[in-house]
Amino acid sequence: DAGVTQSPTHLIKTRGQQVTLRCSPKSGHDTVSWYQQALGQGPQFIFQYYEEEERQRGNFPDRFSGHQFPNYSSELNVNALLLGDSALYLCASSLTLAAGKLFFGSGTQLSVL
Amino acid sequence: KQEVTQIPAALSVPEGENLVLNCSFTDSAIYNLQWFRQDPGKGLTSLLLIQSSQREQTSGRLNASLDKSSGRSTLYIAASQPGDSATYLCAVFVDGANSKLTFGKGITLSVRP
Repeated sequence: DAGVTQSPTHLIKTRGQQVTLRCSPKSGHDTVSWYQQALGQGPQFIFQYYEEEERQRGNFPDRFSGHQFPNYSSELNVNALLLGDSALYLCASSLTLAAGKLFFGSGTQLSVL
Repeated sequence: KQEVTQIPAALSVPEGENLVLNCSFTDSAIYNLQWFRQDPGKGLTSLLLIQSSQREQTSGRLNASLDKSSGRSTLYIAASQPGDSATYLCAVFVDGANSKLTFGKGITLSVRP
């Protein structure tokens, strides 16, 4: 049983570019959340998707957007990249919307130059 | 607003020591609390999850306790080993309309041979 998978593992972009990160949830999970972890910090909640809709959102600008597909996989898009967007982006899946146990992927390390 | 604090930020101990990692949170209305392990540049591995109605959970050499009323949790690691060297993150999950994990910044543990 595959766990949460994320791609790519590493990415280098320049300021102003756009990036798309991908996540496949654990088998049987229908809820996907995205977190941003800056160096030396704890992960910060970006947003959560359930039934192909954004259900809640953390304190992130509209440059951060997402999508969930009918197979429950998800994408995180970031437009107009800033140096400060450099971070580890973590995807987590859970069994239902309010399930308390989240399973995390290995993350995508994004570097913005 | 829920805030999670982990102090100290870093800890270095000799191999074989029993140690306690502390976590505090400001709002006691939590659904559960999780302890995660993170190796450098990697994703999160769930170590222990304590439901709000529980007082402690054990897994091998790890024991986590929860005192909701005082907003505290501890992670006890028995007979520490160099392989335990990693960052340990505490996170609380709040149920309902704003269900998400709120993380502390983590404690970076180094176990010296």
